Amino acid sequence: DAMVIQNPRYQVTQFGKPVTLSCSQTLNHNVMYWYQQKSSQAPKLLFHYYDKDFNNEADTPDNFQSRRPNTSFCFLDIRSPGLGDAAMYLCATRSDRSYEQYFGPGTRLTVT
Amino acid sequence: AQSVTQPDIHITVSEGASLELRCNYSYGATPYLFWYVQSPGQGLQLLLKYFSGDTLVQGIKGFEAEFKRSHSSFNLRKPSVHWSDAAEYFCAVGPGGATNKLIFGTGTLLAVQP
Repeated sequence: DAMVIQNPRYQVTQFGKPVTLSCSQTLNHNVMYWYQQKSSQAPKLLFHYYDKDFNNEADTPDNFQSRRPNTSFCFLDIRSPGLGDAAMYLCATRSDRSYEQYFGPGTRLTVT
Repeated sequence: AQSVTQPDIHITVSEGASLELRCNYSYGATPYLFWYVQSPGQGLQLLLKYFSGDTLVQGIKGFEAEFKRSHSSFNLRKPSVHWSDAAEYFCAVGPGGATNKLIFGTGTLLAVQP
């Protein structure tokens, strides 16, 4: 089945230690999104790619970076995680022929 | 400002009872509307969407939603709730277009009593 895959599902990192979260998709969608979701809150968009064009949200901290080496893969890099960065990180994809976004299962990040 | 309001933070219904989750939006243009469901520790699953046309839309798992432009609402309904429907439900609105960045409501947590 075509899908959005996120690895790992659970990630524990230490305060200040860089961490990378991975998203891959078999849907061949050209738009990919990264969201941060804290407990009992709505997802918050961090940035998205339209093909190779990177679009950062104005309030996304500089500590968060992203890479998209090809259509299928997208990475979220947190350069120096703080305790406040503990959250669920959701990847989503969309075809530019429609408007619905398809989400992966998320990566739960814990910062110790 | 564009926004989505889900007035009910938490709802409890009995299994077999009907369900309506409210969603109101504030949007300057014609909105693209979505309902997503999230089970604990999982990603979001699309239940249904409204872009245009018939204002009553059918989705997966027996859910439906009605777009009412005059009320700026897009309420989600199900005639008979199952225990497996217990989850968090998010309403979202987007502008369409190249990026279609979604604005999410704060969610409604549904509990189902046996």
